Amino acid sequence: NAGVTQTPKFRVLKTGQSMTLLCAQDMNHEYMYWYRQDPGMGLRLIHYSVGEGTTAKGEVPDGYNVSRLKKQNFLLGLESAAPSQTSVYFCASSLAADTQYFGPGTRLTVL
Amino acid sequence: GQSLEQPSEVTAVEGAIVQINCTYQTSGFYGLSWYQQHDGGAPTFLSYNGLDGLEETGRFSSFLSRSDSYGYLLLQELQMKDSASYFCAVLTGSARQLTFGSGTQLTVLP
Repeated sequence: NAGVTQTPKFRVLKTGQSMTLLCAQDMNHEYMYWYRQDPGMGLRLIHYSVGEGTTAKGEVPDGYNVSRLKKQNFLLGLESAAPSQTSVYFCASSLAADTQYFGPGTRLTVL
Repeated sequence: GQSLEQPSEVTAVEGAIVQINCTYQTSGFYGLSWYQQHDGGAPTFLSYNGLDGLEETGRFSSFLSRSDSYGYLLLQELQMKDSASYFCAVLTGSARQLTFGSGTQLTVLP
């Protein structure tokens, strides 16, 4: 039982490049979330999903897209990376929504 | 929108008791959660209060007053390993989204 895993762990992009972050969970959770965390700040919700095939915008969705084609996977895409998207990205999943389980994070730098 | 306030830093000595307060303004409130995050690590769930009152889990307790839009996390018998950031977060919305505060950096001194 791996819990929540994220791929990759680190990435450096140039402005304008695209990439996809993968989140996978093996706990059969319905709810999945993508957050970003900037230095010295709390986590901010980017997008979330309440089940396979559904996605919704969170607090800071601009510049990101997501897909939930399979229940266990939640993908976060950056179509044209900008330096303002330099951050640590955390994925989380939840069964009952009052407890969220977080992945180890992806550290993204956009030059 | 949602807003949460918690102290940015707290320092205490090993073995002591520390309380981290959190006040919030929100709509569609379901409950208040607390998460712990060590440097470079992922947030981990500590406690959740959906109803008014005190929840106790080992050395950690959490309290909620809905009428005061206020909660706190109480850490007893502090240990060095408790040095971390602590985030309060309100649970709102149909998908039970979490909105996090900016975090309290707890430093435990020997």
